[in-house]
Amino acid sequence: TQLLEQSPQFLSIQEGENLTVYCNSSSVFSSLQWYRQEPGEGPVLLVTVVTGGEVKKLKRLTFQFGDARKDSSLHITAAQTGDTGLYLCAGPNNAGNMLTFGGGTRLMVKP
Amino acid sequence: NAGVTQTPKFRVLKTGQSMTLLCAQDMNHEYMYWYRQDPGMGLRLIHYSVGEGTTAKGEVPDGYNVSRLKKQNFLLGLESAAPSQTSVYFCATGSIRRQPQHFGDGTRLSIL
Repeated sequence: TQLLEQSPQFLSIQEGENLTVYCNSSSVFSSLQWYRQEPGEGPVLLVTVVTGGEVKKLKRLTFQFGDARKDSSLHITAAQTGDTGLYLCAGPNNAGNMLTFGGGTRLMVKP
Repeated sequence: NAGVTQTPKFRVLKTGQSMTLLCAQDMNHEYMYWYRQDPGMGLRLIHYSVGEGTTAKGEVPDGYNVSRLKKQNFLLGLESAAPSQTSVYFCATGSIRRQPQHFGDGTRLSIL
């Protein structure tokens, strides 16, 4: 079973600070997806990374896929209160028929 | 979340009761998924469908059944609800294999 571990589980910061959250595995993934989920809503797909070492930017969010394709990170610059939410990473299983989700990082950005 | 509608939004059941959760999409996506979300465990796939008339088991299928008689609808059934099935259920759709792109807002289900 391929597992994805996310850290930290919880993060509380002040508006304007920078932060990085991590998604790690002992297994190689062909791709990884990142989602953000706000309270009372479903997850929203933010990005898919496919190539080892790939970096993708989405405004203040920077996503990186590890060179060995076993890990990924999400860096947020100058966090805003609107960044508050649950960040989930997910990757396809070995059979390629479903996604495995990590447990998520719950981020709270305080004004 | 425009495009994926789940009904009902909330429901309380007694142990042993049955119910059906409905997911409707208007994006003409081939792939549809049912997930459950429990605290600290992310999302776990219950069943999925790769097209009208097809269904397949996911990671945690026991105690659930599904049907996809029409392309736009994906139904999740609980035949005999158990307290362990208390959870938030999400439906998702996608146009790319195994990549859910659009999620509904969830159904919060409590089983007493």
